[in-house]
Amino acid sequence: KAGVTQTPRYLIKTRGQQVTLSCSPISGHRSVSWYQQTPGQGLQFLFEYFSETQRNKGNFPGRFSGRQFSNSRSEMNVSTLELGDSALYLCASSYTSEALGEQFFGPGTRLTVL
Amino acid sequence: SQQGEEDPQALSIQEGENATMNCSYKTSINNLQWYRQNSGRGLVHLILIRSNEREKHSGRLRVTLDTSKKSSSLLITASRAADTASYFCASIQGAQKLVFGQGTRLTINP
Repeated sequence: KAGVTQTPRYLIKTRGQQVTLSCSPISGHRSVSWYQQTPGQGLQFLFEYFSETQRNKGNFPGRFSGRQFSNSRSEMNVSTLELGDSALYLCASSYTSEALGEQFFGPGTRLTVL
Repeated sequence: SQQGEEDPQALSIQEGENATMNCSYKTSINNLQWYRQNSGRGLVHLILIRSNEREKHSGRLRVTLDTSKKSSSLLITASRAADTASYFCASIQGAQKLVFGQGTRLTINP
């Protein structure tokens, strides 16, 4: 099976712009989670989707949003970008429908905000 | 905020030696997982230990869990240069929220 794919891999934006990141989970996986990784804050949970429904959300402002499509692909959107949004954004998929088990991570999208 | 705290933050050992990393967490868990991350890349799942398990092995990896102390340890035996990476513990908060520690940067010197 193909692994989790994320596009684009690298992105440079300026403050105030918005950005959309995409994640394609492993075939058959219905749970998709998003994480932000920065040197200062480490890995932080953004949100998790299962069957097009957001089941859990981390402590991020409303500028961060996401959605999941019927084919389990997911997108996350960040509006009104700030310098502090520069980070590696990781997507992970999982097969389980209940408590999260093993997560399969994509390579990440590195976002730089200038 | 991060639930897990790894100790040490950085570890440098010689190839062939064993590496031990510790993780502490604050709230009750369903399971605890360990992941590896090579520089700037995605994470790779190493092992999952459930709250009713005390020890688990996978190849050169040995994980222990002490729920009374809210701590876990990851032992990598006979280390190799390819083990150089950052290692993270992660615990489940609620059912669908995975919370990561700050990680341990492991360097294996040839």
